[in-house]
Amino acid sequence: QVQLVQSGSEVRKPGSSMKVSCKAPGDSFRRNGITWVRQAPGQGLEWMGRIIPRLNLANTAQNLQDRVTLTADTATTTAHLELRGLRFEDTAVYYCARGEYFTTTFGVVLPHLDSWGQGTLVTVSS
Amino acid sequence: QSALTQPPSASGSPGQSVTISCTGTSRDIGAYDYVSWYQQLPGKAPKVLIYEVSERPSGVPDRFSGSKSGNTASLTVTGLQAEDEADYYCSSYAGRYTFEVFGGGTKLTVL
Repeated sequence: QVQLVQSGSEVRKPGSSMKVSCKAPGDSFRRNGITWVRQAPGQGLEWMGRIIPRLNLANTAQNLQDRVTLTADTATTTAHLELRGLRFEDTAVYYCARGEYFTTTFGVVLPHLDSWGQGTLVTVSS
Repeated sequence: QSALTQPPSASGSPGQSVTISCTGTSRDIGAYDYVSWYQQLPGKAPKVLIYEVSERPSGVPDRFSGSKSGNTASLTVTGLQAEDEADYYCSSYAGRYTFEVFGGGTKLTVL
C-alpha cells in the first residue's frame, strides 16, 4: 500500500491559520486526486475537500468553503491544506488520502481512497 | 450531524455475522453506486474495505461484503474475528455540489 507522508503536529491559536502538507509518491498525480478528511477527538470522519491536480480541480465542503484552500505542487507531488480563522472546534486529526479519479456524466468521482497519510494532529488552543 | 446515518454500535460473537447499515437519501446513496466502507482501528488511519458498493480491494478478506438497496447501503462481516473490532464508516458520492458525505461511524464489538 502506497504511503502518504504528512507534516507534523501543530498547535495554533484561535483566529490563526494552519497548513498541513501531504507528500505522495512520484506518479500519484497522473491519475489520482487527494482528498482531505478530518476527525475531531472521539468523533467521526468529516470530508473537507479534494484536489485533482491533473484536472486543475479543487472542491471544498460547503461549510468550509470560505476558510479552506487546497493546493498541489506537481513538481514535488505534495498537496497542501490551509485552514484559516481557526476555532477551538477545528481541533482534529487531519488526514489526506489518495484515490484514482474518474470523469462521469455526474461529475468527477474518487470512489476508492486506497492510501492514507498517517494523520496530522492540529490543536487549537489559547 | 452526519449526512449518512449509521447505528452507533454493533456486536457479535466470534464466528457470527453482523451487518451494519448506512442510510442516506436519493441525493447520495440512492443516486450513485459510489458507496465505500472504511475500517478504522484505534489510533490508526482509516482503511478502505469496500468501494463502489460491493467491490473489495485486493488484500481485503472476502468475509467483508457490501450491498445497497434504495437509499441504504450495508456492510456484512461474516465469520467475525477479534481483529474485526474497530470503527466502521460508510461514505457516498453526493453529486457535483456536495461531492462526498460520511456516516457517523459504527463501533463494532466482538464479544
